[in-house]
Amino acid sequence: EVQLVESGGGLVQPGGSLRLSCAASGFTFSIYAMSWVRLAPGKGLEWVSTISDSSGSIFYADSVKGRFTISRDNSKNTLFLQMNSLRVEDTAVYYCAKKLDTFGQVYFDYWGQGTLVTVSS
Amino acid sequence: IQLTQSPSFLSASVGDRVTITCRASQGISSYLAWHQQKPGKAPKLLIYAASTLQSGVPSRFSGSGSGTEFTLTISSLQPEDFATYYCQQVKGYPLTFGGGTKVEIK
Repeated sequence: EVQLVESGGGLVQPGGSLRLSCAASGFTFSIYAMSWVRLAPGKGLEWVSTISDSSGSIFYADSVKGRFTISRDNSKNTLFLQMNSLRVEDTAVYYCAKKLDTFGQVYFDYWGQGTLVTVSS
Repeated sequence: IQLTQSPSFLSASVGDRVTITCRASQGISSYLAWHQQKPGKAPKLLIYAASTLQSGVPSRFSGSGSGTEFTLTISSLQPEDFATYYCQQVKGYPLTFGGGTKVEIK
């Protein structure tokens, strides 16, 4: 059974940093691209970042480019999101998501339960 | 690529046929997915490649369209279908979602 478990969320002041983790199990983590998607209060889903299986290709939303860094450790089946220079508008539940196939487009077939990040003074 | 969903809110009864529309600001071929999300829960993939039903998803859900206009249809709404539905394009980066359609009980 595929499982994605996020952790690392919490309350942080504007300008602060957090590192999110996503522990994966139930599939061969190292051959699938992974992504982060967020859901802000009262808003819709927003894609944040995607990393390829080997970390050779990385993409970011303009809203987080230069502040967030996605990475992965295939030996530990874990996905990360380092978030720096946090803003109030980064407040959201952050989900990690697995790519459906090892080829083709980045459809998300499994999502974690999410971890809440609150940026407030 | 911007995705515009309509309606943003829908009130329906159990047994109703429900249709949600997603329009893309430019052609995306069939690179579209539909996700369902219930409050406090993870999103769930329903449809990918515009019309392919994800494994385990009930056959009352169907998707159609290509290019710039897409639809998600629920043939007979069930109590467990009351949720928010999002379309998502995967043609290119940045990946984008529609604004969502909240389906509530009439």
